[in-house]
Amino acid sequence: KQEVTQIPAALSVPEGENLVLNCSFTDSAIYNLQWFRQDPGKGLTSLLLIQSSQREQTSGRLNASLDKSSGRSTLYIAASQPGDSATYLCAVMIYNQGGKLIFGQGTELSVKP
Amino acid sequence: SQTIHQWPATLVQPVGSPLSLECTVEGTSNPNLYWYRQAAGRGLQLLFYSVGIGQISSEVPQNLSASRPQDRQFILSSKKLLLSDSGFYLCAWSSGGGLGEQYFGPGTRLTVT
Repeated sequence: KQEVTQIPAALSVPEGENLVLNCSFTDSAIYNLQWFRQDPGKGLTSLLLIQSSQREQTSGRLNASLDKSSGRSTLYIAASQPGDSATYLCAVMIYNQGGKLIFGQGTELSVKP
Repeated sequence: SQTIHQWPATLVQPVGSPLSLECTVEGTSNPNLYWYRQAAGRGLQLLFYSVGIGQISSEVPQNLSASRPQDRQFILSSKKLLLSDSGFYLCAWSSGGGLGEQYFGPGTRLTVT
């Protein structure tokens, strides 16, 4: 059974710091991995999608990497800003189940001015 | 561009009452559709997914049901709500046979009293 774990559960950093969020999964047979952002009381915003054949994806200050063999992904946020404060969720898509995503519990990020 | 709508945004219902949550997608055709629930202190859990009109797959045994009467409409229902049904309900869609990026709606906050 696929399980997704995110460490740390919460993180507080000063503005301007570079930071890394971690995601690990137990079964390497994934189709893709997706990183989301969730603001309090809101839906999820897709940040980056990495296909299983890819090693990384970049969007602006965000860079996500994937090491399928070791069951790990990281989300790197450069030059953090208070507006980056949110919960970040990673999710893996498993094969042959209609696109089902298995989510981690999320990392709650707070960037202090 | 594609847009996903959910309503109502919030709902307070007594135990034993019926439920109907609606999700519609605009700007795409034949999407895969998903219902997730996010309960307090727990991660996102897939409840139902649909690959086409009238085709529903259930992930978790419960007193909820889903229907897809039209290509871009997905409905979550219950005949009698339980306290444990409280949570944040999110609808999502994807294209590419369900293997593409998933996009989420704004969510419905359900409180069962």
